[in-house]
Amino acid sequence: NAGVTQTPKFRVLKTGQSMTLLCAQDMNHEYMYWYRQDPGMGLRLIHYSVGEGTTAKGEVPDGYNVSRLKKQNFLLGLESAAPSQTSVYFCASMGGLGQPQHFGDGTRLSIL
Amino acid sequence: EDKVVQSPLSLVVHEGDTVTLNCSYEVTNFRSLLWYKQEKKAPTFLFMLTSSGIEKKSGRLSSILDKKELSSILNITATQTGDSAIYLCAVVGAYKYIFGTGTRLKVLA
Repeated sequence: NAGVTQTPKFRVLKTGQSMTLLCAQDMNHEYMYWYRQDPGMGLRLIHYSVGEGTTAKGEVPDGYNVSRLKKQNFLLGLESAAPSQTSVYFCASMGGLGQPQHFGDGTRLSIL
Repeated sequence: EDKVVQSPLSLVVHEGDTVTLNCSYEVTNFRSLLWYKQEKKAPTFLFMLTSSGIEKKSGRLSSILDKKELSSILNITATQTGDSAIYLCAVVGAYKYIFGTGTRLKVLA
C-alpha cells in the first residue's frame, strides 16, 4: 500500500543545475500539491493541481515549474537551482475537497 | 492575506503532563481545520474539524474548533515520549491548505 511516493529522497545540486522531483500516488486522487518546508516557516505551497492536465501557482512558485500529464504523477522542476531552494520538499495528494491530504516522505534537497 | 498562527512555537514537558496547543486563523472561504503530527518524515493526519464546539478524540488526544473565535486547540493528556513531534495546524480554504509554522513538542522521560 504505497500511498504517496517521492523520488529521490536526497539530492545535492550545484547552483545552476536543473532537476525534476517526482511524486506518484496510487489512490486515484484528483488533487496534488508540492510544498517546501524550511525551519521556522512551516509548509509553504509551491504549486498545486486540481486534476490531470491542470496546474496552479501557490504561495512561493518562483523558480519552480510543474506538470501533471498523468493523474497519478505530479512533477516539480527546478530549471536553474539556487541556494535559496535548499529545503525539504513534500508532495501531497487529496481525494476531494473536505478530505485530508496524504503526504509523501519528502525529498531533502541541498543546493551548493 | 490568509494566515494561520500556532502557539507556542515550542514546548518542553515531562511525561505525564497535559499540554494544550493553539491554532488561530484568518482564512477566506473556510472549509475545515486539520491537525497533523510530524515526526521525522511525512506529516500524519490526526483530526479534521468542520463544526464548532464538537470535540474529536483519539486516545489521549482531543481537539475542538471555535469558529466564533477563529481558533482551535489540540489537547494531549498524560504525555509520553512518543508524543514528541511537530504538530501542524492547517486550514482549508478553496482548494488549498494554509499551514501554520507548527508547535515543536518535546516530552522528557
